[in-house]
Amino acid sequence: DTEVTQTPKHLVMGMTNKKSLKCEQHMGHRAMYWYKQKAKKPPELMFVYSYEKLSINESVPSRFSPECPNSSLLNLHLHALQPEDSALYLCASSQGGPPPNSPLHFGNGTRLTVT
Amino acid sequence: LAKTTQPISMDSYEGQEVNITCSHNNIATNDYITWYQQFPSQGPRFIIQGYKTKVTNEVASLFIPADRKSSTLSLPRVSLSDTAVYYCLVGDGSGATNKLIFGTGTLLAVQP
Repeated sequence: DTEVTQTPKHLVMGMTNKKSLKCEQHMGHRAMYWYKQKAKKPPELMFVYSYEKLSINESVPSRFSPECPNSSLLNLHLHALQPEDSALYLCASSQGGPPPNSPLHFGNGTRLTVT
Repeated sequence: LAKTTQPISMDSYEGQEVNITCSHNNIATNDYITWYQQFPSQGPRFIIQGYKTKVTNEVASLFIPADRKSSTLSLPRVSLSDTAVYYCLVGDGSGATNKLIFGTGTLLAVQP
């Protein structure tokens, strides 16, 4: 079990669908992250929210739309995805604020398949 | 900005000490170095974090030389359950807060 909960665990969607990935943490962390991980590759940073504001967008295509409704929740809205977007999507949180970088706590991810 | 690189794979036997290195030539002054373990279909799990010299906890040690351009994760006596991918995580070199980038990862295979 992890302290960061991601739902759903698995998602299959067509290229015309709209879906959302959800992430929740109750550790009082103020920074939340989305990473994308392809098979046999390291996780790649997509977005970072710090104190509920988007602070980093790693040039992610607009078909991925993040949202941070409050300090405990992080969503990733998906629309018009491509098959190459199939991957494990990982959410993480950390205490946030200035360095030292407090360790990231990861969820177990959502396995996304785009057909 | 340079990539953070690690050996692709390492093999070991149960009970041995394993040292995994990470090269991070562009580390920023304010960056810490963090190591994670990842099993298939799970999220990375925190192992240890440090800034300089040596840090030790109940599962690992982390050695960081004075120039901080590399780090070494040391697992004292590995077991079969330590078979996993190990990643270092550092900033991207720009100094931007929370812009944390994974190294290329090392697959550790522990044999009986």
